[in-house]
Formats: sequence, structure tokens, C-alpha cells
Amino acid sequence: DAKTTQPPSMDCAEGRAANLPCNHSTISGNEYVYWYRQIHSQGPQYIIHGLKNNETNEMASLIITEDRKSSTLILPHATLRDTAVYYCIVRVEGGSNYKLTFGKGTLLTVNP
Amino acid sequence: EPEVTQTPSHQVTQMGQEVILRCVPISNHLYFYWYRQILGQKVEFLVSFYNNEISEKSEIFDDQFSVERPDGSNFTLKIRSTKLEDSAMYFCASSEVRVGKPQHFGDGTRLSIL
Repeated sequence: DAKTTQPPSMDCAEGRAANLPCNHSTISGNEYVYWYRQIHSQGPQYIIHGLKNNETNEMASLIITEDRKSSTLILPHATLRDTAVYYCIVRVEGGSNYKLTFGKGTLLTVNP
Repeated sequence: EPEVTQTPSHQVTQMGQEVILRCVPISNHLYFYWYRQILGQKVEFLVSFYNNEISEKSEIFDDQFSVERPDGSNFTLKIRSTKLEDSAMYFCASSEVRVGKPQHFGDGTRLSIL
């Protein structure tokens, strides 16, 4: 699986958009980008994933650059409950690979 | 919304004892996983399970560990002879299919070895 790089921490004001970057410059054609978050040692919560097109769901939007070497997770209106560690994971789909490989992620702190 | 449930939420066990952690995956999911997270460290993959057999396992998943799907709803992780370093949060996850679909996680079992 391609390596990802995320900033260790970010701050965001409540009600503003939170934009979390992820660099995955060695991504290959069959690798998806997944975003999860973990709120205070709860189980990782799935947010969104994509291959090459931008994606949006009820939680967030995922913007993937055209060369697929980086992506941004956007939480459009951050709330205090969005304070969590956010993980960007790149995973090869298929073959003998089943696992998600978690890094250290970005600690997003939403401030009142 | 369907969710993965894990029991117990906290398990305290003496070193050397056997422990079984239980999970009920989402009902139409076919792939099952265990991960663990030692306090302050990353979430680490242990094992994946499909069609009643292990499909992938990590170096952590040695002979002390085993997994089983004893019936149509439960998925268990057994640690035969626990060590102090097995103290961690253990997360179960499941996915509908393997390609292009996310894994959904339970809230974990905190295992404390004394």
C-alpha cells in the first residue's frame, strides 16, 4: 500500500469548514483512498472513500487531485463533536491484501 | 444504521489465562477482521477471515491467537495464554465485500492483563 503523509495536528473554528490534507505521491492505479476518524479511543469510524473522482456523502467531501497524488477531506461545517484523529489510508483493492494500514493521522481540534 | 457490536467492553484477566473477545458483525457482511491498538499507539491489523478461514494475518497474530465464527452471527478472537503486552483495545470490523467497500468497526474491547 502507498505511504501517506498527514500533518500531525490542525485546528478549526466551530462552524467553519475543516480541510484535512493527505499526500500519497506513490499511489498506484488500483489503490483507493479511504478516510476514517477515531474519537477518543472509540473504534475507527468510516467517513468516505474514492478512487479518482471527487466524492460527497452526508458526512464529508473528498477531493482527489487529478494526478491522484494528494487528497483533501472536507468537513463543511465542523462541530465540537468532529474533534478526532483523522486517518487517510491508501489501500490496494484485490489480490491478497485485506488489511487497512493506519498511520498516526491528523488530530483535528474544533474550537468553540 | 446497522453496526458492529463487541462484548465485553472491558475485560480484565490474569496473565496466563485464556480470553475470548466476541463480536457480532453487520448481518450481510462476509469479511471479518480484528485489529488492536495499544494505548497511545497506532491501530494495527491482526487478521482477516472469510468463508470460514483466515485470509490474511499479521506477524502479531502468532500461535497464541485464534479466530472462529462459531455460528451465523458471532466472530470471536481467542488469546490462549495472555501476556502483559496483550493489554490493548481490540477492534472487530466487517465488510460487505472486499473490493471498493469500507470496513466498519465496533467500539472495541479494552483488554487489561494483570
